Amino acid sequence: QTVVTQEPSLTVSPGGTVTLTCASSAGAVTNDYYPNWFQQKPGQVPRALIYGATNRHSWTPARFSGTFLRDKAALTLSGAQPEDEADYYCLLFKGGISVFGGGTRLTVL
Amino acid sequence: EVQLVESGGDLVQPGASLRLSCAASGFTFSTYWMSWVRQAPGKGLEWVAGINPDGSEKYYVDSVKGRFTISRDNAKESLYLQINNLRVEDTAIYYCARQWVYWGQGTLVTVSS
Repeated sequence: QTVVTQEPSLTVSPGGTVTLTCASSAGAVTNDYYPNWFQQKPGQVPRALIYGATNRHSWTPARFSGTFLRDKAALTLSGAQPEDEADYYCLLFKGGISVFGGGTRLTVL
Repeated sequence: EVQLVESGGDLVQPGASLRLSCAASGFTFSTYWMSWVRQAPGKGLEWVAGINPDGSEKYYVDSVKGRFTISRDNAKESLYLQINNLRVEDTAIYYCARQWVYWGQGTLVTVSS
C-alpha cells in the first residue's frame, strides 16, 4: 500500500512561519486524495485542522493554512504560538483506503 | 454535540479475540463513513479499517486483512471492530472516527503473555 512521508521533525521560532509537507509514494498528491491534517498534543486525541487540502474547520486558527506545494500537500503555520507545539499528521484518502503520514513533531523554540 | 464512545479494550493474551464497539450520537450516523484508527505506544497514527454509510463497502490496511472485521449497525448507531488472533504488535489505543472530523477518546488494547 501507499506510503505517506512527512518531515520527522521541524523547529520554528515563536512568531515564525513553517511549512510541513505530505508526499505520497504513489505519485503527486492531488485533490483526489482529499488531504487532511491533524494536530495531536501529548496525551490527547487527534484534532482535525484541515480537510480537502485547503479548508479550515470552524475551530482551526487562521494561522494554519493548507495548500499544495509542487507534488505534495502542505500545511503552513504563520505566526507560530507556543501552544502549536505538537505532532502533526497528514492523511490521504482515496477509493476507501486511508493512509496517515508518519507525523511531524513540531517544536516551537 | 457529536460524541463517539469506544469500549471493549482489554488486556489479553496473544491469540485471543476482542470486539471493540463505538457508540455514536449527535449526528445522523447512517450517512457517514466511519473508520478505526490505532496508535501504538509512542508511535504515530495508523488507519486500520473503514466502512461506508450503509456497510456495503469495507476496507482494511494490508497488515490486518483476514484478522480484523469492521461492521456497523445503523439502527443502533454503533460501529464495531472484531479482532481475531491478536498479536503483541496490535497493542495500541484504538480510536473510532467519523471520517475525518470527529474522534472518540479511544479504547486501549494490550496484548501480552
